[in-house]
Parts: sequence; C-alpha cells; structure tokens
Amino acid sequence: EAGVAQSPRYKIIEKRQSVAFWCNPISGHATLYWYQQILGQGPKLLIQFQNNGVVDDSQLPKDRFSAERLKGVDSTLKIQPAKLEDSAVYLCASSLNSWLAGGRNTEAFFGQGTRLTVV
Amino acid sequence: AQTVTQSQPEMSVQEAETVTLSCTYDTSESDYYLFWYKQPPSRQMILVIRQEAYKQQNATENRFSVNFQKAAKSFSLKISDSQLGDAAMYFCAYMVRENTGNQFYFGTGTSLTVIP
Repeated sequence: EAGVAQSPRYKIIEKRQSVAFWCNPISGHATLYWYQQILGQGPKLLIQFQNNGVVDDSQLPKDRFSAERLKGVDSTLKIQPAKLEDSAVYLCASSLNSWLAGGRNTEAFFGQGTRLTVV
Repeated sequence: AQTVTQSQPEMSVQEAETVTLSCTYDTSESDYYLFWYKQPPSRQMILVIRQEAYKQQNATENRFSVNFQKAAKSFSLKISDSQLGDAAMYFCAYMVRENTGNQFYFGTGTSLTVIP
C-alpha cells in the first residue's frame, strides 16, 4: 500500500514570497490533515478536510495561508506572503473514516513532510 | 478541551536497558484512542503502538508496551531492550472519533537518546 506522498521535501524562500506544498493521501482515506511542526515542538493542526469539505481550520492563519482539496483526494497548502516565523516542517496526514472502518486502522498516517526555511 | 501533556522533554537510556516515557491527557470522552508515534531525524511520524480506551488490557508490540490507566488519564510507553535505532522524538497522541473524521491531539514530545 502506498503511503502519504508529499512534495517538495525541502524549500527555501525569501520572506514575502509565496510557496505551495502538495499532498496525496492514502487511497480511500476520507480525512486529510495539514500540520505545522516548529523545531522541538509537537504537530499543530492547521486544517482538516473530510473529503473535499473543511472540518477544522481554526488555527489556520487565513490572512496568509490557504488550502484546498478540490476533488476530495490530493491537497495543496499555500502560504502567501511568507514570514520568517513560518519556517517549520509541514506535515500531511490522512486517516480512514473510522465510522466506516469500524474503529480499525484508526491512526493517522503521515507523509515525510516538507521543511520550509524562510530567509 | 482535550490536552495531551508530556512532562519529559528529554530522556536517555543505556542500550539494552528499559525506559519509560510519560504521558497524561485530559478528556471528558469515554470512547477514544491513544497512540505513541516515533519521529526519527528523517521526520516521518511512525506509529509505535495503539490503545483503545474501552480495552482494559495494555497494548504490546514486541519491545514496546504501554501502561494505560484510564481513571488517572495516564498512558506511558515502556521500551525494553533499548536499541540505537530507538533514538528519536516520541509523541503521545489522543484521538476521538467524530462523524466529520478523527480528531487528533498531540503532546509536545520527548526526545529519547540511546547511549551505546
């Protein structure tokens, strides 16, 4: 079974530039998450999708961050314009709709992440 | 509000010895899941072990086991016969099922060093 795919793995940009990250979840996973992980900290949820609808984006800085999952499969996270404090690893994860899975395979499966450096 | 607390930012263990990582959580739910994830320097979060709250028996996966105390809201991870490859960040996570999808909450992590 293919895992969660993310690209790029690394990105260096100057502040005020824009950047986009791509994620392709595991096939059949209805829920997709974007997390921001600052060095030495735990993952912080930015946005959660259920199919192509947004479930939770309460911690997404909407003045500069946007995300979409138009066809309910892959997703793009964009930052425009970037700030120095956006330097972090951006993790994408997916999980099965546990109501359908009957509680099995309930964990989140993670991609390898994108390390963003804003200079 | 659901919160997950890992009170040990760093831990170290001698190779082949046993180490326990602590985690507490706060919830008003009765049905939930708990996880330990490992994040090596390669960055990919890998599931180590899972515990379903309605199961009283502690989960085990080879050298990894948990001590789940539901009343105390405690979920510690024990690593036996520690190996150099166990060195990583370890995150405790709590998950509750919603009809809009699983909701995950992560702790701040414990950095484990394995001393040869």
